[in-house]
Amino acid sequence: GIQVEQSPPDLILQEGANSTLRCNFSDSVNNLQWFHQNPWGQLINLFYIPSGTKQNGRLSATTVATERYSLLYISSSQTTDSGVYFCAVYTGGFKTIFGAGTRLFVKA
Amino acid sequence: DAGVIQSPRHEVTEMGQEVTLRCKPISGHDYLFWYRQTMMRGLELLIYFNNNVPIDDSGMPEDRFSAKMPNASFSTLKIQPSEPRDSAVYFCASSVQHYGYTFGSGTRLTVV
Repeated sequence: GIQVEQSPPDLILQEGANSTLRCNFSDSVNNLQWFHQNPWGQLINLFYIPSGTKQNGRLSATTVATERYSLLYISSSQTTDSGVYFCAVYTGGFKTIFGAGTRLFVKA
Repeated sequence: DAGVIQSPRHEVTEMGQEVTLRCKPISGHDYLFWYRQTMMRGLELLIYFNNNVPIDDSGMPEDRFSAKMPNASFSTLKIQPSEPRDSAVYFCASSVQHYGYTFGSGTRLTVV
């Protein structure tokens, strides 16, 4: 089956810093989503981005489907950005595969 | 919209007891998904429904697990009998086609 790899696994930032999270996938996908799981366990949909670039405030995402990767950019990080960021891909049959996540901690 | 609503938020039960988790999807969403999250295995898809019909339950770990969706606004995930290894956070999610999931807040299940 398709493999989804996220990097880095862990990231510590000083408040105000920028970061890039990466998601690689081993096969063609029909869609891709980024989620943020906050420290209280809530899973929040950030982007639905099968291809191209989208921006939402300080966050943006780019998926290059032909090269099988997606990037999530966080600019001017805040402590509320802490948590785990998941990439999830859907290959068909509506089975979505989640990566292991990038655990982010933003220090004040 | 109130989002995907799950209940209860927390459940502690004794081994061997029946556990029922509930989910109300977002109105108008035609797909409903049940996921389980553990530290060891991450997020696993257990089962999903399309227009109230179970489509793929290959992720259901054992016959002790069952799920139903009697109508478009309600689904249950039942574990009978429960075991300590079932302890996890269970998430319900819904979507229109596959254009982006919305997750509920989850049910943290502890089986002692």
